[in-house]
Amino acid sequence: EAQLVESGGGLVQPGGSLRLSCVASGFTVSNYPMSWARQVPGKGLEWVSLINPGGRTYYKDSVKGRFTISSDNSKNTLYLQMSSLTAEDTAVFYCVKGTDFWGQGTLVTVSS
Amino acid sequence: DVVMTQSPLSLPVTLGQPASMSCRSSQSLVSSDGNTYFYWFLQRPGQSPRRLIYKVSNRDSGVPDRFSGSGSGTDFTLEISRVEAEDVGVYYCLQSTHWPWTFGQGTKLEIK
Repeated sequence: EAQLVESGGGLVQPGGSLRLSCVASGFTVSNYPMSWARQVPGKGLEWVSLINPGGRTYYKDSVKGRFTISSDNSKNTLYLQMSSLTAEDTAVFYCVKGTDFWGQGTLVTVSS
Repeated sequence: DVVMTQSPLSLPVTLGQPASMSCRSSQSLVSSDGNTYFYWFLQRPGQSPRRLIYKVSNRDSGVPDRFSGSGSGTDFTLEISRVEAEDVGVYYCLQSTHWPWTFGQGTKLEIK
């Protein structure tokens, strides 16, 4: 059975950096499009970044140049490196396999 | 970006009664490969989103047959034949035909 476990969220100051991790089990990350989506608490959903099986990456305009998505096949893990964070990046970040399976989310709070 | 517009935003329904909600996209979701990458999700309170319907009308494994999806091009509908208490939550539509993938703002289903 597929499982996705995110970690790395927390409180960070504006302008700071954070790396999110998503450990997958029950399937091989490199065989699927893998993504990060986010949700401001109490608000709607937003797709942030995607890496496809060929390694091509996509980013929402608002995070382009600040966020980097990557994967480590040996660890079956997806990452999101985030820098130059602002209050508008405060959200629960979800790791997603394709569109069909979501992790439980990790909260990122950007505040001084 | 493709704008996904859901209606209604709030949907009070009596248990056992049918429910219907709509999602309209700002441009056609028919891909160059002929597929329409349109999905419905349910997010129950305190949970991650769960995919219910993929490619317009296909139910995911374990989704009750009281849920049905339909539509084409830019107009899509999710119908619930008889609402049960476990159906409460926010329903989101998603398109992944065009990057960035975009969600609707959500329809909140509640029991009258």
